[in-house]
Amino acid sequence: AQSVTQLGSHVSVSEGALVLLRCNYSSSVPPYLFWYVQYPNQGLQLLLKYTSAATLVKGINGFEAEFKKSETSFHLTKPSAHMSDAAEYFCAVSVGGGADGLTFGKGTHLIIQP
Amino acid sequence: GAVVSQHPSRVICKSGTSVKIECRSLDFQATTMFWYRQFPKQSLMLMATSNEGSKATYEQGVEKDKFLINHASLTLSTLTVTSAHPEDSSFYICSASNRAGKGYNEQFFGPGTRLTVL
Repeated sequence: AQSVTQLGSHVSVSEGALVLLRCNYSSSVPPYLFWYVQYPNQGLQLLLKYTSAATLVKGINGFEAEFKKSETSFHLTKPSAHMSDAAEYFCAVSVGGGADGLTFGKGTHLIIQP
Repeated sequence: GAVVSQHPSRVICKSGTSVKIECRSLDFQATTMFWYRQFPKQSLMLMATSNEGSKATYEQGVEKDKFLINHASLTLSTLTVTSAHPEDSSFYICSASNRAGKGYNEQFFGPGTRLTVL
């Protein structure tokens, strides 16, 4: 079975600083990996996804992530944090090509300090 | 992009009653729909997977007789929480995908339904 570990339940950065949210996965087969953002009392919005093409994936709102097989990681970064980035971020893995449900990490709450 | 809606967005019910939540794919045919549950300040947990015209497949620990899932058409799936109790209070989120394409078939998420059982 696959799993996702997100290091840090809360991450605080200053506005304009680098955002780094960590995600490590475990999978016995090549995975599909995702980052989602969730604002309070709302559903999920897809930030970006890795589906076995380029290992450096660019997403919306200036976010990007790099798939590193050797490190089993898929960390999310953004060069300059904005106040509107404050939200809950979830890393997720799928191994069934869309036929299976996603396995989510526990989430990281991103706090942006003014 | 693909849009998935859920109705209602919020529901409050009394203990012992049943509640139905609808999940609709508005601009594509959803061959597969997924139901997730999210407790406050926690992650999403997959409850079940339903393929159009077939019985849903439930994850371990999810009571199929309590959480009835119907996926009778390519655009609609329903989740009925039967004899709801306060511990069923949660945020229920559905997602939908179309498995007709090659490669990865993306899941599109609905906005969620907040269920509160008194």
